Amino acid sequence: DVKVTQSSRYLVKRTGEKVFLECVQDMDHENMFWYRQDPGLGLRLIYFSYDVKMKEKGDIPEGYSVSREKKERFSLILESASTNQTSMYLCAISGRRNSYNEQFFGPGTRLTVL
Amino acid sequence: KNEVEQSPQNLTAQEGEFITINCSYSVGISALHWLQQHPGGGIVSLFMLSSGKKKHGRLIATINIQEKHSSLHITASHPRDSAVYICAVGNTDKLIFGTGTRLQVFP
Repeated sequence: DVKVTQSSRYLVKRTGEKVFLECVQDMDHENMFWYRQDPGLGLRLIYFSYDVKMKEKGDIPEGYSVSREKKERFSLILESASTNQTSMYLCAISGRRNSYNEQFFGPGTRLTVL
Repeated sequence: KNEVEQSPQNLTAQEGEFITINCSYSVGISALHWLQQHPGGGIVSLFMLSSGKKKHGRLIATINIQEKHSSLHITASHPRDSAVYICAVGNTDKLIFGTGTRLQVFP
């Protein structure tokens, strides 16, 4: 079974704090994705990475950065959390770059910024 | 207009009913996904299809590439089918998601 884990299921932070969300996979997949999910808007892509130290902006990268130092680990960083970043954050993985692949999702982190 | 539209947004059914959820898209795609999300957040991939029809247990997914339309059918629905069903399309590594259909099946 594919396993994608996220560092926390629930997280509460204060405005201005630096927040790290971590995603770890055990499948040796190349592609890793960070999404946020908001009611009525569906999943929106924040950033994705197709290799170690590589990253590409998704549809809503503002206010976020990412890090991929090892193939199995993809971190999402909120440099200075704001209340409009309260959301469900989902990590996903898929196989090889530029080939069409099923995506496997982590359990999600529900982040609340007060 | 969203590139992926699902209908209905909300659906309630009695146990045993046949259910259909629809997905229309406006972009060229390599494949379409149907995903299931239970309360609590985790998303599971149900189907990935690029043509025709796929069946898994009581779930059937169809796609018409010419009409840019897909349907997800659930036969003999059960309360455990209650979830949000999400349609997603893609032609590269990235997916475009619909906003989901919330299904509640009552005993």
